[in-house]
Amino acid sequence: DADVTQTPRNRITKTGKRIMLECSQTKGHDRMYWYRQDPGLGLRLIYYSFDVKDINKGEISDGYSVSRQAQAKFSLSLESAIPNQTALYFCATSDPSGGLYNEQFFGPGTRLTVL
Amino acid sequence: AQKVTQAQTEISVVEKEDVTLDCVYETRDTTYYLFWYKQPPSGELVFLIRRNSFDEQNEISGRYSWNFQKSTSSFNFTITASQVVDSAVYFCALRAITGANNLFFGTGTRLTVIP
Repeated sequence: DADVTQTPRNRITKTGKRIMLECSQTKGHDRMYWYRQDPGLGLRLIYYSFDVKDINKGEISDGYSVSRQAQAKFSLSLESAIPNQTALYFCATSDPSGGLYNEQFFGPGTRLTVL
Repeated sequence: AQKVTQAQTEISVVEKEDVTLDCVYETRDTTYYLFWYKQPPSGELVFLIRRNSFDEQNEISGRYSWNFQKSTSSFNFTITASQVVDSAVYFCALRAITGANNLFFGTGTRLTVIP
C-alpha cells in the first residue's frame, strides 16, 4: 500500500461549492504539507503542519483552510470553490528526525476542476 | 528568500540524443538541499536525486547524471542516450533548513523524446 494517499484522485465541482481534499499517511511523520501545481508555475505551498496543534499558512493560503485531524490525516478545504482553484494538488510528509535530508514524500495528487 | 529557475520551458530531442536540463537557484542559506523530480504524464512526482550544499560531487546513476556547482548556483541534470520513456516534466527544487522546511520548486522543463 502507498505510504501517502490522497482522496479523491479526481474531482469536478462547480463554482461556490465546498470541497475537501484528504490526505492520509502511514509513515508516522509529524510534518505534512499541501502544495498546488498550476501549469507553468511549478508547485507552491498552501499550508503546512508540524504537528496536530501546529498549522501554518504557506505562500498561497487565501481561499483555503486545513484541518489536522490526527498525526496521519491532513485535509485541505475550499470553502467556496472558484475556477482559478483548478489545479493539481499534492500532499507531502516529512520527518525532521529522519536524518540529514528530511526528504519529502509526496502523495499521488488530486486533480481538481472547478467549473 | 529561496528561488529556483528553470529557464528551459520545453525541450525536444530525438531518441538516443543526450539532453541537459538546467537549474539555477538562489538562497541566502549556507545549508540547503537540492532535488530533482520527474513528473510523467500520469501526474505523480517521482523522486530522482537529492544533494546537500556541502556535497559538490557530481553523481551518475545509469543514464542520469547531475552536475552541482555552487560557484554558479547551478544543479544541472543530464540524460544520456534519451529514451521515449524519459518524456516527462522535470522539476528542480530547493529546500532550506529553516522555516517551513518546504520545497521551493522551479517551473519545470517539459522534455519530449521523439522516437
